Amino acid sequence: EPEVTQTPSHQVTQMGQEVILRCVPISNHLYFYWYRQILGQKVEFLVSFYNNEISEKSEIFDDQFSVERPDGSNFTLKIRSTKLEDSAMYFCASSESVRFGSPLHFGNGTRLTVT
Amino acid sequence: GQQLNQSPQSMFIQEGEDVSMNCTSSSIFNTWLWYKQDPGEGPVLLIALYKAGELTSNGRLTAQFGITRKDSFLNISASIPSDVGIYFCAGQVGETSGSRLTFGEGTQLTVNP
Repeated sequence: EPEVTQTPSHQVTQMGQEVILRCVPISNHLYFYWYRQILGQKVEFLVSFYNNEISEKSEIFDDQFSVERPDGSNFTLKIRSTKLEDSAMYFCASSESVRFGSPLHFGNGTRLTVT
Repeated sequence: GQQLNQSPQSMFIQEGEDVSMNCTSSSIFNTWLWYKQDPGEGPVLLIALYKAGELTSNGRLTAQFGITRKDSFLNISASIPSDVGIYFCAGQVGETSGSRLTFGEGTQLTVNP
């Protein structure tokens, strides 16, 4: 079965550094998302992306965050200047279409640790 | 913003027992989804519900979309050790698949053999 793949599985960075988290969505999917999960808490929406632009973003997704689809297969999340509170699991997800009833498929996440 | 209240927070059961968990909201959702998350992995979709009153099964799992659109439950029958994990409900308000998912707090299930 096709999968959403994320790299790296674990990223450790120092406060203030930039990080880029990478995702390869399922190949025929058109909608892409980033969610995060702080340890022991629920999964929270960050951003959705369609047709090469952000379609929706949450209050968490401030100016420090950006997303990009640099080529036909990758989808990236960049955090410009990491803070301690950015430490979390970051999940990429994709869905096949905008048609109602097209569920999200999640990757296994990147654990980001900011020290 | 939208909030989902999921209960119970945790459950400890014996293998073979049935399990029930639910989610409620003060506002309406147009889609309810149930996910399972194993340690170190991403959420895996179990059941998706798209119509109020809908009752859907997936093997030993059964879920219902409440008639008011403000609640959903998930039942697991005859639990087995591999059912261990965190179960999340999630809702969508928007009418396209692209709209954000709001997740519940999760139910941690432990199954004793």
